[in-house]
Amino acid sequence: GAVVSQHPSWVICKSGTSVKIECRSLDFQATTMFWYRQFPKQSLMLMATSNEGSKATYEQGVEKDKFLINHASLTLSTLTVTSAHPEDSSFYICSARAPGIGTEAFFGQGTRLTVV
Amino acid sequence: RKEVEQDPGPFNVPEGATVAFNCTYSNSASQSFFWYRQDCRKEPKLLMSVYSSGNEDGRFTAQLNRASQYISLLIRDSKLSDSATYLCVVSLNTGGFKTIFGAGTRLFVKA
Repeated sequence: GAVVSQHPSWVICKSGTSVKIECRSLDFQATTMFWYRQFPKQSLMLMATSNEGSKATYEQGVEKDKFLINHASLTLSTLTVTSAHPEDSSFYICSARAPGIGTEAFFGQGTRLTVV
Repeated sequence: RKEVEQDPGPFNVPEGATVAFNCTYSNSASQSFFWYRQDCRKEPKLLMSVYSSGNEDGRFTAQLNRASQYISLLIRDSKLSDSATYLCVVSLNTGGFKTIFGAGTRLFVKA
């Protein structure tokens, strides 16, 4: 299957700082990538859809000024959590579909963010 | 109503048992259906796609009923390694491709 790589796998940061998470499609080009957040014992919640070369589409209730998404190339999307607070601590996962390889989503390894 | 609803779980079963998970979806325009498996603190991984004709992969059987908007997953001869959270996933294209996850059902298989 297709490979999606996410970095870093975990990060601890101080409250008020910003954290950037990268999501790369390694063996295919992804015009669209998705960012999810998952709190303990809860399901994945879609935060936003990242579109290459255009603005991301945010789900209702997700602050676009706080969660900055940049999809500058066909293989890279980044999510920046700005002015992080402890309540932003969560598991963030990206995914992408690989055109021509079925319709399932391929996931990055996830990033566990802890804000202290 | 949630777009994708699953049995709440958790399911606690002994090794060798047969266990069934159910899932319903609300959007009739949904196009693709999947079961994913997620282990604790890991990313979801595709278990199997679900087709209207039903499909089987070893001990796993998936069924889709479009008329009832219902999806199922059957696991036969449960193994300890089957312990995980199983996510029902629906994809649709409404002017943009979207994947929606159910809340997941936790399965614990015990010796």
